Amino acid sequence: GAGVSQTPSNKVTEKGKYVELRCDPISGHTALYWYRQSLGQGPEFLIYFQGTGAADDSGLPNDRFFAVRPEGSVSTLKIQRTERGDSAVYLCASSPQDRGTQYFGPGTRLTVL
Amino acid sequence: SQQGEEDPQALSIQEGENATMNCSYKTSINNLQWYRQNSGRGLVHLILIRSNEREKHSGRLRVTLDTSKKSSSLLITASRAADTASYFCAINRDDKIIFGKGTRLHILP
Repeated sequence: GAGVSQTPSNKVTEKGKYVELRCDPISGHTALYWYRQSLGQGPEFLIYFQGTGAADDSGLPNDRFFAVRPEGSVSTLKIQRTERGDSAVYLCASSPQDRGTQYFGPGTRLTVL
Repeated sequence: SQQGEEDPQALSIQEGENATMNCSYKTSINNLQWYRQNSGRGLVHLILIRSNEREKHSGRLRVTLDTSKKSSSLLITASRAADTASYFCAINRDDKIIFGKGTRLHILP
């Protein structure tokens, strides 16, 4: 079956611009996670959704970052006023239940010039 | 920090040898998971071990968990070139999963 998909695969933007990153989880998975991974580092937790609600957004670095999952399936990570330090690979994962195995998408590589 | 920390940071071994990677953490956990990441690609789940389990096997993989020492190990037996990747432990606490920085494993031909 289809796995987790993320679009775009690559995004290049200029400092100060707004970007949206999309995640399509595996159908039926209630839990959805966003991570950010910098070169040579492990994934850094950003936010976790259970259904439509954000169960834990403690990993979002500041108020420029926001994520939604309005219908409990597709999620969008939104970054306002991008900064060069936001450059990273943004990973999405879904799980059939919380605290279980996560299935990762291929990631979106964001480059802020 | 709650995150798991892998040891060593990098490991190079000859094909056919066994590879052992360790993970230490600081808090109580619900479970601990190991993932593999090939360069530039998404993470692949390898194995999950619950806090009340001590050892699990999956093919050539063996994972141990010692909650008293807050540590886990991943053993890959009879390594192959295709095992070259980064390996991450991830501790699951409450509704959050926290990853370590990973061990970069290189299998030499």
